[in-house]
Amino acid sequence: GAVVSQHPSWVICKSGTSVKIECRSLDFQATTMFWYRQFPKQSLMLMATSNEGSKATYEQGVEKDKFLINHASLTLSTLTVTSAHPEDSSFYICTLAGYNEQFFGPGTRLTVL
Amino acid sequence: GENVEQHPSTLSVQEGDSAVIKCTYSDSASNYFPWYKQELGKGPQLIIDIRSNVGEKKDQRIAVTLNKTAKHFSLHITETQPEDSAVYFCAATSSGTALIFGKGTTLSVSS
Repeated sequence: GAVVSQHPSWVICKSGTSVKIECRSLDFQATTMFWYRQFPKQSLMLMATSNEGSKATYEQGVEKDKFLINHASLTLSTLTVTSAHPEDSSFYICTLAGYNEQFFGPGTRLTVL
Repeated sequence: GENVEQHPSTLSVQEGDSAVIKCTYSDSASNYFPWYKQELGKGPQLIIDIRSNVGEKKDQRIAVTLNKTAKHFSLHITETQPEDSAVYFCAATSSGTALIFGKGTTLSVSS
């Protein structure tokens, strides 16, 4: 299966700063990637669908101006949390869709102080 | 869109017993149903999956069953061990679309 990396694996930042998370497909050209968020003791919630070369599609309740997604190439999607606040502290996971399978990145744990 | 319900939310069993977790889905177009195990502080790990053209799949102590008519699928763990203790998530998707996850089941296996 495809190998997906995420960087950084964890990040601590001050409130009001912006944080960029990279999701990279190492051996698979991904036209579509998905971003999920997981709060402590909760399930994974789909945030947005990242489409190569076009705008991302956001789920209801996810602010597109706060969570900027850029999928500029077939191997890289980035999620930027702008003006992060403590309530944005979460585990962010990207996946890419193969044929009837999903390949997970290892996740990025964001802590906003 | 798809909606996945998962039960129970917590499950406690004795070592050696069986554990069953059940999920239902709403979208008849879904055709891929994976199960994930998540340990504390880690990302979810795929443990078994089933596609809509199959009714049952088994991998050692783990099995998954799918009833397309009733739109439900279940995870069965036999001969449970303490290391099976974790949070388990079911999910559903159709080709190329995002996974929709159940809310998770916390399994505790006591020795």
